Amino acid sequence: EPEVTQTPSHQVTQMGQEVILRCVPISNHLYFYWYRQILGQKVEFLVSFYNNEISEKSEIFDDQFSVERPDGSNFTLKIRSTKLEDSAMYFCASRGGQNTGELFFGEGSRLTVL
Amino acid sequence: QKEVEQDPGPLSVPEGAIVSLNCTYSNSAFQYFMWYRQYSRKGPELLMYTYSSGNKEDGRFTAQVDKSSKYISLFIRDSQPSDSATYLCAARGDTGRRALTFGSGTRLQVQP
Repeated sequence: EPEVTQTPSHQVTQMGQEVILRCVPISNHLYFYWYRQILGQKVEFLVSFYNNEISEKSEIFDDQFSVERPDGSNFTLKIRSTKLEDSAMYFCASRGGQNTGELFFGEGSRLTVL
Repeated sequence: QKEVEQDPGPLSVPEGAIVSLNCTYSNSAFQYFMWYRQYSRKGPELLMYTYSSGNKEDGRFTAQVDKSSKYISLFIRDSQPSDSATYLCAARGDTGRRALTFGSGTRLQVQP
């Protein structure tokens, strides 16, 4: 069964360092998303990406964040200068097309900022 | 007012019981409704997807959406210990903000 895959599963970094989280969405899906979940809190939307550009972003997705689809399969989230409060699970998700509602999530990348 | 509200639980039931999980939402533009199951430190796993109002059944799971009262339900029949997890309801619209908005999740424990 097709699935969204994410790497790394866990990354530990020092405050101020740059981090790149990688995702391979389900093949043939057109819409890509990043969500995050701080421990014990709800899943929060960060950004959506369609047709090689950001289609929507939340107030959390400020200038320290960026997304990229560098090739036909990968979708990345970069956090430029990590802060302690960036520690969270980061989930990538993908959706098939305009008229499909189902959103499929990866297993997540756990980011720990020290 | 939170867009999607969900009782955090925990909800503890004996094996074999019927479980009822509920959410309310405030945004009348929501058209797509989903239930996810999340095990500890894992990604949300899509269980049920419903477009607009109505019922949908898949095995032991039934999802109901009542748009008139802005109420979303998930029923689990013959609950099993393996159903113990956090259940997340989520919704999004067709226009405006299309990103999926999640409830806070209900933690379910099925006792053997």
